[in-house]
Amino acid sequence: KAGVTQTPRYLIKTRGQQVTLSCSPISGHRSVSWYQQTPGQGLQFLFEYFSETQRNKGNFPGRFSGRQFSNSRSEMNVSTLELGDSALYLCASAPISGDTQYFGPGTRLTVL
Amino acid sequence: GEDVEQSLFLSVREGDSSVINCTYTDSSSTYLYWYKQEPGAGLQLLTYIFSNMDMKQDQRLTVLLNKKDKHLSLRIADTQTGDSAIYFCAESFQAGTALIFGKGTTLSVSS
Repeated sequence: KAGVTQTPRYLIKTRGQQVTLSCSPISGHRSVSWYQQTPGQGLQFLFEYFSETQRNKGNFPGRFSGRQFSNSRSEMNVSTLELGDSALYLCASAPISGDTQYFGPGTRLTVL
Repeated sequence: GEDVEQSLFLSVREGDSSVINCTYTDSSSTYLYWYKQEPGAGLQLLTYIFSNMDMKQDQRLTVLLNKKDKHLSLRIADTQTGDSAIYFCAESFQAGTALIFGKGTTLSVSS
């Protein structure tokens, strides 16, 4: 089975812009979660989508949003980018009855 | 509150055993995980344990859980240079989502 894929792998944006990141889960997985990884804050949970509905949410401002499509692919959007949004954004998928998450390689976002 | 603590660095010689420690504060956590991250890569699941277990062994990896002290450890037997990476401990109340991670332990293996 193919693993979790994320596109693009690298992205450079400027302050004030918005960005959309994409994640394709492992085939058959319906849960997709997003995490932000920074040197200062470490790995932090953003939100989880299951069957096109947001099921869990971390403690991030409303500028961070997401959605999931009927094929379980998910997108994450960050509006009005700030320098502090520079991070590695990781997507993870989990099967319906699974106990574990499988991570993609991440999208490295740099905000200038 | 929710917090996962790990020591930041561990240095071992090739062939030795490595023990990476983690403490968590929320006794409601049901699942406890160990992930490995190599430079420029995502997270690789190594192993996990349910909170009602004390120990789990998987080839060179042994996970020990002390629920009373909220302490989790990962032992890597016969550590190899390819084991050099950052190791993250994580907890979750719900299977397969909303993981709370520690800051990671950098394991350096010298030959």
